[in-house]
Amino acid sequence: GENVEQHPSTLSVQEGDSAVIKCTYSDSASNYFPWYKQELGKRPQLIIDIRSNVGEKKDQRIAVTLNKTAKHFSLHITETQPEDSAVYFCAASKDSSASKIIFGSGTRLSIRP
Amino acid sequence: KAGVTQTPRYLIKTRGQQVTLSCSPISGHRSVSWYQQTPGQGLQFLFEYFSETQRNKGNFPGRFSGRQFSNSRSEMNVSTLELGDSALYLCASSTQLASGEQFFGPGTRLTVL
Repeated sequence: GENVEQHPSTLSVQEGDSAVIKCTYSDSASNYFPWYKQELGKRPQLIIDIRSNVGEKKDQRIAVTLNKTAKHFSLHITETQPEDSAVYFCAASKDSSASKIIFGSGTRLSIRP
Repeated sequence: KAGVTQTPRYLIKTRGQQVTLSCSPISGHRSVSWYQQTPGQGLQFLFEYFSETQRNKGNFPGRFSGRQFSNSRSEMNVSTLELGDSALYLCASSTQLASGEQFFGPGTRLTVL
């Protein structure tokens, strides 16, 4: 079945610096890759997603890149701010009635003031 | 639109008991997925329901079961509770299976003593 690996498990960056979180997936048929942010004590919320027909997508300070050949995708956060501190989850799924969305194990991002 | 709601928010049970958790999706959403979240295991997929049918199932024992009603509301049941079942149980709704954005509820915090 599909497996999603996420690295690193924890990440600490200086405020204003960039943060990069990487995920790899095993099922080459996967075609939808969302990223969720979960702040302490709150529910996960979608921050950005990408489909396999696109190599990169950007939304203000957040960008996601996808390499279908290597089966990996990454989240990039630029000019990090204290409110970026949270746990980030990547996920992968495919358009199929028998498919299910698989989440990575999460990355705890801390922004140092 | 009202968001995904879950009841109860907190629950304390003892080993051997059974528990039923409830999830009301966003109006118009027909897919409801359940996840178990623990500090060490991240988001583990339990099952997904769509149009009252279980479409996907994760790797959990048969003690974990669920159902979905005609109004898309879903319930999850755990029988013969074990200490290891202590976790945050999240449900998420979406308009379509797997490859759509998941909108998470606030979760039910289950503690098994």
